[in-house]
Amino acid sequence: GENVEQHPSTLSVQEGDSAVIKCTYSDSASNYFPWYKQELGKRPQLIIDIRSNVGEKKDQRIAVTLNKTAKHFSLHITETQPEDSAVYFCAAKRRGAGNMLTFGGGTRLMVKP
Amino acid sequence: DVKVTQSSRYLVKRTGEKVFLECVQDMDHENMFWYRQDPGLGLRLIYFSYDVKMKEKGDIPEGYSVSREKKERFSLILESASTNQTSMYLCASSPYGGGVEQFFGPGTRLTVL
Repeated sequence: GENVEQHPSTLSVQEGDSAVIKCTYSDSASNYFPWYKQELGKRPQLIIDIRSNVGEKKDQRIAVTLNKTAKHFSLHITETQPEDSAVYFCAAKRRGAGNMLTFGGGTRLMVKP
Repeated sequence: DVKVTQSSRYLVKRTGEKVFLECVQDMDHENMFWYRQDPGLGLRLIYFSYDVKMKEKGDIPEGYSVSREKKERFSLILESASTNQTSMYLCASSPYGGGVEQFFGPGTRLTVL
C-alpha cells in the first residue's frame, strides 16, 4: 500500500522567513496530493492541493510543488506569520476508486514573532 | 458550509467497555471516514464507507467495527475498549469521487482507563 513520509517533524522559523515541508510517497499511481493544516485544538482543514498533471500550484503565500519522477512534493510558506503556527499534514490519494488518503506523520510549525 | 459533528469532544471509559463514537454530516456526502490521530503518526485510517451499509477496512481496523445505517451517520464501535485505544478520533466526510476535499469533525479525545 501507499506510504507517505513527512519531514521535518518540527520546524521553528522567525516571523517573515520562509518554511518548507517535504513529503515523499511510494505509489507511483497516486494522483492527488492535499495539504491539511490543524491549529491547536481545531480540526484539520484543507489549505492547498495538487494533482499529478500539474507541477506547481500557488495560493497567496502558500505553494506546493510536485516531482512525480522522484515521488516527492513540498509545501512552501513565504513571509510566515504567527497565525501560520500549526501542525501541517501532507497526504496522497491511494490508487483505485474512492477517496482514501494516506497521511504523513505531520510537521509542527512554530513561527516566532 | 459543511458541518461534520461528533457526539462527544471528550470521553472516558473503562477497559472492556463497549464504546460508540458517532459522526453526523449534513452535506449529503457519500464518503465517510474514521481516523485515529496519535502524535508523530499522523492520521491513520480505521474504516471507510462509500455508501449506506458499505464499508472498507483501513490501515488499523483491528479492535474496531463501524456501522452506517443512514447516509448522514457513521458510527465507530470499540467492542471491548483497551488502554492502547486511548487516542484522538477524527471523523471526515467527502463527496463521491477521488481527489476531493475531506471535511473533518472536531474530534473525540477518548481515554480508556
